[in-house]
Amino acid sequence: KAGVTQTPRYLIKTRGQQVTLSCSPISGHRSVSWYQQTPGQGLQFLFEYFSETQRNKGNFPGRFSGRQFSNSRSEMNVSTLELGDSALYLCASSLESGALGGNTIYFGEGSWLTVV
Amino acid sequence: EDQVTQSPEALRLQEGESSSLNCSYTVSGLRGLFWYRQDPGKGPEFLFTLYSAGEEKEKERLKATLTKKESFLHITAPKPEDSATYLCAVQGTKAAGNKLTFGGGTRVLVKP
Repeated sequence: KAGVTQTPRYLIKTRGQQVTLSCSPISGHRSVSWYQQTPGQGLQFLFEYFSETQRNKGNFPGRFSGRQFSNSRSEMNVSTLELGDSALYLCASSLESGALGGNTIYFGEGSWLTVV
Repeated sequence: EDQVTQSPEALRLQEGESSSLNCSYTVSGLRGLFWYRQDPGKGPEFLFTLYSAGEEKEKERLKATLTKKESFLHITAPKPEDSATYLCAVQGTKAAGNKLTFGGGTRVLVKP
């Protein structure tokens, strides 16, 4: 069974540019979440999509956006890149969203973004 | 707001030297407490989910336990391949969807 797939794995962008990252969840999973991981702040929640709707959003500026397609694949976009956006961006998938009993959440290998 | 604190930040062990990692949490209502293992340059690998106080789960040399305020990850007779960063996260009832709040992690180094 294929895991969560993220592309690209590594990329370098210049300040002011924009970037789009892609995530394919585990087959059958309908929830996709995005996280930013940096040495200083650790893992921070960006947003979650479920059935093509944004379910929840973290405390990030509007430059960070995302969407989900009908096949549950998701993309996140960062516009007007800043040096501080350099991070590992992780995608996580789960069968359902917000289940009272909790959901097992699986992460991809991440996309390493370096802004120069 | 949900909060998670992990201690210690780093742990150096000799092979075979058992130890415990702590995860203290504050959450309005707990839907689940998650443990992940993360190797350098890779994404977090799911280990356990605990749902209620008193619950315990085991996998190979790892055992996770949960109380109303904290969780412990016990590593029994660790091997060098257990070296990794261990992450704890909570999912609270006030957070919509699947949002996880993570602690800062514990970096574990097991020396042969």
